[in-house]
Amino acid sequence: QLQLQESGPGLVRPSETLSLTCTVSGASISSTGYHWGWIRQPPGKGLEWIGNIFYRGNTYYNPSLKSRVTISVDTSKNQFSLKLSSVTAADTAVYYCARRRLQPERFDYWGQGALVTVSA
Amino acid sequence: AIQLTQSPSSLSASVGDRVTITCRASQDIRNDLGWYQQKLGKAPKLLIYVASNLQSGVPSRFSGSGSGTDFTLTISSLQPEDFATYYCLQDYDYPLTFGGGTKVELK
Repeated sequence: QLQLQESGPGLVRPSETLSLTCTVSGASISSTGYHWGWIRQPPGKGLEWIGNIFYRGNTYYNPSLKSRVTISVDTSKNQFSLKLSSVTAADTAVYYCARRRLQPERFDYWGQGALVTVSA
Repeated sequence: AIQLTQSPSSLSASVGDRVTITCRASQDIRNDLGWYQQKLGKAPKLLIYVASNLQSGVPSRFSGSGSGTDFTLTISSLQPEDFATYYCLQDYDYPLTFGGGTKVELK
């Protein structure tokens, strides 16, 4: 059974870098038929796509966040990671990692989500 | 970026009701649209992909239709476990974008 689990600090200071890792179990992150993505949801608001990565390192970012986002993959650990720099209170959200199945594309498995609060 | 407009933003319904949610895209997205259900405090769950394909394990009372710019999610007979927020997501082009959500509440 495929599982995704987000991990990382739940509190980040303003202007610092938010870092989260998604650990994938039950499937290989190196499978060719999938991307791996990050989506966030501010408290009480809707969903926002952050970006996707392919195991070879190809990345796709939301232009609204592109200047501050880096998504990377570590195939040896079956993990992928999110870094968001220069955070403000507006980046406070639940961050989800998800598997994006290709052809046709859809997010078919999601992590449970990790709440990250930006506060001094 | 492609904008998705969902309507209504919320609705009240009773168990057994037929419920219809619409999603309109700002441009032609063929049939590259999915529907997700999110319950309070939980991750979204895929219901429908490429507009009308039912994800494995999802009850058949859920159905999707549409192409181009106009799409519909229908719940044929609302069950107690269906009270949730529903989102559409366009898979046609980057950046991927979600609709604003439709909250289905108990009447």
